[in-house]
Amino acid sequence: DIQMTQSPSSLSASVGDRVTITCRASQGIRNSLAWYQQKPGKGPKLLIYAASTLQSGVPSRFSGSGSGTDFTLTISSLQPEDVATYYCQKYNSAPHTFGQGTKLEIK
Amino acid sequence: QITLKESGPTLVKPTQTLTLTCTFSGFSLSTNGEGVGWIRQPPGKALEWLAVIYWDDDKRFSPSLQSRLTITKDTSKNQVVLIMTNMDPVDTATYYCAHRRATGNVRPFDYWGQGTLVTVSS
Repeated sequence: DIQMTQSPSSLSASVGDRVTITCRASQGIRNSLAWYQQKPGKGPKLLIYAASTLQSGVPSRFSGSGSGTDFTLTISSLQPEDVATYYCQKYNSAPHTFGQGTKLEIK
Repeated sequence: QITLKESGPTLVKPTQTLTLTCTFSGFSLSTNGEGVGWIRQPPGKALEWLAVIYWDDDKRFSPSLQSRLTITKDTSKNQVVLIMTNMDPVDTATYYCAHRRATGNVRPFDYWGQGTLVTVSS
């Protein structure tokens, strides 16, 4: 089965910073990669699918890139409301494995 | 507007069987491409994908849990049921159901229920 590995596992940045989270698949998954945001005490929310397509309603400061095995989620200017844990997930074929998560905090 | 809601017991004993129901609206599981999946999250830990069922009754499972899982759909009631046997305290988690599309406008899990916390304890 394909494993999904995120880095870093946690991250602290200042408001206004550019933040990048990476996700690596152990085998190629084309662009079948999604990013989710989970705020404390809440359920996950889809941010990006097809590696780079922003879900409706998601702020444009979020962007995604990559294909094959290496993917990135970028927040261009970190806002206080972006404090959350971020997960990547492969969805081209089962099992639809998640990464282990990246916890993002404000410095 | 798509909505989903999980229901089921909040407490089960070790070795018992867990039955969770996902009741949804805003789409039909008889429509080509539609699917409903289950995902869980132990307290303080990462998301874990469990299973998914599609409009054509195709079913997929997490390899590590496949022997313990059953997933069914009732199209007339707009419900999906997940059954997990031989529950253990390590299965304590918030269980989510979520919608996805597997054909046409392919989407990962784009709409999620609020989740239901299941505790396994004697």
